[in-house]
Amino acid sequence: QMHLQESGPGLVRPSETLSLSCTVSGGSISTNNYYWGWVRQPPGKGLEWIGSIHHSGGTAYNPSLKSRVTISVDTSKNQLSLRLSSVTAADTAVYHCASPVSRGAYHYWGQGTLVTVSS
Amino acid sequence: QSALTQPASVSGSPGQSITISCTGTSSDVGGYNSVSWYQQHPGKAPKLMIYDVTNRPSGVSSRFSGSKSGNTASLTISGLQAEDEADYYCSSYSTSITPHVIFGGGTKLTVL
Repeated sequence: QMHLQESGPGLVRPSETLSLSCTVSGGSISTNNYYWGWVRQPPGKGLEWIGSIHHSGGTAYNPSLKSRVTISVDTSKNQLSLRLSSVTAADTAVYHCASPVSRGAYHYWGQGTLVTVSS
Repeated sequence: QSALTQPASVSGSPGQSITISCTGTSSDVGGYNSVSWYQQHPGKAPKLMIYDVTNRPSGVSSRFSGSKSGNTASLTISGLQAEDEADYYCSSYSTSITPHVIFGGGTKLTVL
C-alpha cells in the first residue's frame, strides 16, 4: 500500500515562503500517469485544492493561488515539493499531498502537516 | 472561482438512505465525468469513496454510490451506519479559467 509523508516547518513568518516536501513510499511517482496533488484545509474549514504535478513536470495550479505557488517533483527521490510565497495568516492550514487514481481524484493521502503562519 | 455547492448538513437514522448533492456548472461537474467524493472523520485525512462519478475504490463499501445528472452530482449512502457520520466533500475537474480541481464546501452527515 502506498504511503505519503509530508514534512517541513510547522511555523512560518508572515511574508515568508512556506516549503514542504512529500515523500512517497510503496509506489513510484514515475509509473503513475496522472497528476499528484497538494490540498490544504484551514482549521475548522473545508478542503482547498492547491495544485498538482505530473511526473514529467507538467503542473496545474489553483487560479486563486497561482501567482504564489510552485510545485515540483524529484522522481529520483520519489518526492514532491510545494512552495507558497508571501504567506499570511490565511495560509494557516493542514497541508496534504495525495496520489491520483484518476484525473483530479486522489486515492492515497498523507496524514497532513499543520503549518501556522505567525510572527 | 466558487466552490461546488453542497448542503451544509444532512441527517438520517441507522438503516436509512441519504443523498448528498453537489452542484457545479458546465465547466466542471456537467462537463466532465471527473467527480469524486471524500469522507473525512475529525482529525483524519480525507478518504476517497467515489471517483469518476460512479467508481468505488477497492475496499469501499457498496453502500456508497455516485451518480450525476446535468450539473449536479450525488452521493447516496444506503443502510446508514453510525460510522458513516463524517464530513463529505465532492470535487470535480474544472476548466473554468485554467484546468484545475475544485472542491465543494462540505456536508456534515449526522446519523441520528
